[in-house]
Amino acid sequence: AQSVTQPDIHITVSEGASLELRCNYSYGATPYLFWYVQSPGQGLQLLLKYFSGDTLVQGIKGFEAEFKRSQSSFNLRKPSVHWSDAAEYFCAVGTNSNQFYFGTGTSLTVIP
Amino acid sequence: ETGVTQTPRHLVMGMTNKKSLKCEQHLGHNAMYWYKQSAKKPLELMFVYNFKEQTENNSVPSRFSPECPNSSHLFLHLHTLQPEDSALYLCASSQITSGGGGQFFGPGTRLTVL
Repeated sequence: AQSVTQPDIHITVSEGASLELRCNYSYGATPYLFWYVQSPGQGLQLLLKYFSGDTLVQGIKGFEAEFKRSQSSFNLRKPSVHWSDAAEYFCAVGTNSNQFYFGTGTSLTVIP
Repeated sequence: ETGVTQTPRHLVMGMTNKKSLKCEQHLGHNAMYWYKQSAKKPLELMFVYNFKEQTENNSVPSRFSPECPNSSHLFLHLHTLQPEDSALYLCASSQITSGGGGQFFGPGTRLTVL
């Protein structure tokens, strides 16, 4: 069965520090992988996506993610976090049958 | 309007009321979704419509009734709700060319049931 795991429920980083949010997935075929960000009271905004090609993908707001097939991971990174990055982050898997599976989210707090 | 819009943004209703949530997508997509997002719980998929046909109903109580009159509009009709139905209801759309395009979400309707 398909599933997405985000092992970190909550992460706190200092402004300017680097960030890595973890995501592991379970899917039998080549997955389509996504990261979304959600600010309080808002919908989910697509940060970046991977479905083929270069395993390092660039997204909006300075985020990037790397697909590692051997580890079934798609971790999100940012070299220098800004206070405005504080939000909830969701990893998701899409399948060939247009189904989508979301992780439980990681809440990011940024301290000045 | 661009993207996915949802109205109303906030809704307070009593347990005996009937109300509807509206979603409209301006992206030319052919699949639409309703999700429920409750505090400290994972995103719950409620309904999926592909080409206006409902393809998934995740054991949602009958007090929630979806309607998809065309590929751009999606409604969620609510009646006799319970306080535990209070949540953020998110609409999303995607293109059915496989999952690679991803979903685009509306801002949500914050529902409070008294």
